[in-house]
Amino acid sequence: NFMLTQPHSVSESPGKTVTISCTRSSGSIVTNYVQWYQQRPGGSPTIVIFEHRRRPSGVPDRFSGSIDSSSNSASLTISGLKPEDGADYYCQSSDGDNHVLFGGGTKLTVL
Amino acid sequence: EVQLVESGGGLVQPGGSLRLSCAASGMTFKNYWMTWVRQAPGKGLEWVANIDLDGSETYYVDSVKGRFTISRDNANNSLFLQMSSLRAEDTAVYYCVRDLGWFDPWGQGTLVTVSS
Repeated sequence: NFMLTQPHSVSESPGKTVTISCTRSSGSIVTNYVQWYQQRPGGSPTIVIFEHRRRPSGVPDRFSGSIDSSSNSASLTISGLKPEDGADYYCQSSDGDNHVLFGGGTKLTVL
Repeated sequence: EVQLVESGGGLVQPGGSLRLSCAASGMTFKNYWMTWVRQAPGKGLEWVANIDLDGSETYYVDSVKGRFTISRDNANNSLFLQMSSLRAEDTAVYYCVRDLGWFDPWGQGTLVTVSS
């Protein structure tokens, strides 16, 4: 099986742009869709990006997803940062056998 | 509005058993795969198990295989997780989620604490 590796933490100022990476350890990142979830302190996770780059209704277009075959990674980019974007973010994918994997999570601090 | 409400968590001794339930509303339950995800205190998300539309296919993370059983009752829009031989490392908030290929929505979670 494979692992999804995220940076432990990132920080950026309000109004700026931040990118969180999610690197797949083996196999191609394009093989299985990558999703991103936001979990605010004390809350349940919510979906912000699905199928690599699709955004659910209600999620601001400041959130975007992408994949990069050369680095075998997915990325979540948040532009125009707001204090309420401060949260934990998790990437998620699946193998071909209905097993699900999560990245370790990235704590975003909006200074 | 789709709602998922978990129940059944609590304090249990190591080696004990617990059955979690999840009541679904606002959706045609029988049309969706369902999944349990857990989160240990201060830790990240971990997939536990998922189940297909009629319960004929189930999948588990290796650490719970043989100890946990996921099941569903489509007539009553309910998802279950029977947990046995519980260990301290099973302590976590357990979330019920609808599986669309992505997980949405998430319930509020139910806390399971395994301790003597």
